[in-house]
Amino acid sequence: GAGVSQTPSNKVTEKGKYVELRCDPISGHTALYWYRQSLGQGPEFLIYFQGTGAADDSGLPNDRFFAVRPEGSVSTLKIQRTERGDSAVYLCASSLTGVGNQPQHFGDGTRLSIL
Amino acid sequence: DQQVKQNSPSLSVQEGRISILNCDYTNSMFDYFLWYKKYPAEGPTFLISISSIKDKNEDGRFTVFLNKSAKHLSLHIVPSQPGDSAVYFCAAVTQGGSEKLVFGKGTKLTVNP
Repeated sequence: GAGVSQTPSNKVTEKGKYVELRCDPISGHTALYWYRQSLGQGPEFLIYFQGTGAADDSGLPNDRFFAVRPEGSVSTLKIQRTERGDSAVYLCASSLTGVGNQPQHFGDGTRLSIL
Repeated sequence: DQQVKQNSPSLSVQEGRISILNCDYTNSMFDYFLWYKKYPAEGPTFLISISSIKDKNEDGRFTVFLNKSAKHLSLHIVPSQPGDSAVYFCAAVTQGGSEKLVFGKGTKLTVNP
């Protein structure tokens, strides 16, 4: 398909472990976003990439969270020393150039459960 | 502090009638607004948007109204169909920055046959 692809769809791991979540944006989209959605809440912004660079990482909750996009397409969100409070659905979105009036297209998310 | 508020967690309407979903915002720097629809276990899907320089945008059965002075927008769906049953999120963005979306908590719409 031509949409945003996220893998894995589900991830269950133990507290303290390291996890990587992958996002494959729509081909040609230079802007890529990560959001986190907790139960009963709307998605909350984590980080924004324009090309290879993180243009805004103000939403990352702490230094256990890190994201990369080395070639300007696929992005990986990395969480170290996971905690139970990290359990949520992690959503990735992309848009053509990142201009505000271009809608962001979302993947189906990775449901992360920390035991 | 919630900058985008959807005060109704749920709404139930009869098929064929109008659904009206409401959204309020507090940040006057927001200049573009979007509605997303979300089915369970799927990502949000873009529905319709409106620029702050307009007061109405229409796309088929969906119309979004913006009242800037009241910092209020609404999504009208008419006629409502059972397939419209989903969670609807209002989102706002300030253009010229990172273009990050600020979402409300969502309203679960149920359209009864």
